[in-house]
Amino acid sequence: DSGVTQTPKHLITATGQRVTLRCSPRSGDLSVYWYQQSLDQGLQFLIQYYNGEERAKGNILERFSAQQFPDLHSELNLSSLELGDSALYFCASSARQGTAEQFFGPGTRLTVL
Amino acid sequence: AQSVAQPEDQVNVAEGNPLTVKCTYSVSGNPYLFWYVQYPNRGLQFLLKYITGDNLVKGSYGFEAEFNKSQTSFHLKKPSALVSDSALYFCAVRDKPNGSARQLTFGSGTQLTVLP
Repeated sequence: DSGVTQTPKHLITATGQRVTLRCSPRSGDLSVYWYQQSLDQGLQFLIQYYNGEERAKGNILERFSAQQFPDLHSELNLSSLELGDSALYFCASSARQGTAEQFFGPGTRLTVL
Repeated sequence: AQSVAQPEDQVNVAEGNPLTVKCTYSVSGNPYLFWYVQYPNRGLQFLLKYITGDNLVKGSYGFEAEFNKSQTSFHLKKPSALVSDSALYFCAVRDKPNGSARQLTFGSGTQLTVLP
């Protein structure tokens, strides 16, 4: 168990809908990262927050947004969902921005029908 | 831009034999390098990292990796494979901090199968 929790574990929804994925980092970790894993794109970095502030952006679509709250949990919002958004979404956390390894949550499997 | 290549989609090895999972990288400066393992329906688990110092890095579950700067490689190794090592392995790289970039770039993954 990495100490990173994600909810829900599975999510099934329809095209055009909006969903929110939640992540709680390891106790004391200030950095949160979101990744998308799909068969065709592999593991792609989406966005990073550090202590409530956005720090880096990767291949995140404009339909997607995220935030990190004062208690350090983070939410990833996916809107106007398309079939191609079906994937595993992982959250990871790390203790600081430097050399620290990232610890991954179990993921949320999103299925868009 | 940083990138990682894992040239083998699949590696098969007999139990008890040594295993190697290959990784090469490309970064503009000195790299931070990581190996992660993913079991079915699970998140990624950290195995080991290279930041600086000794080129041979030892990690979890008996795994080790060798950093080779001239060949820009960071191959994962284990002297004696176990059936339970069968999983998907990811190599990842990150430039040393320069500005706000902190994200990892992952390779495409190598499926390791250890045959009994």
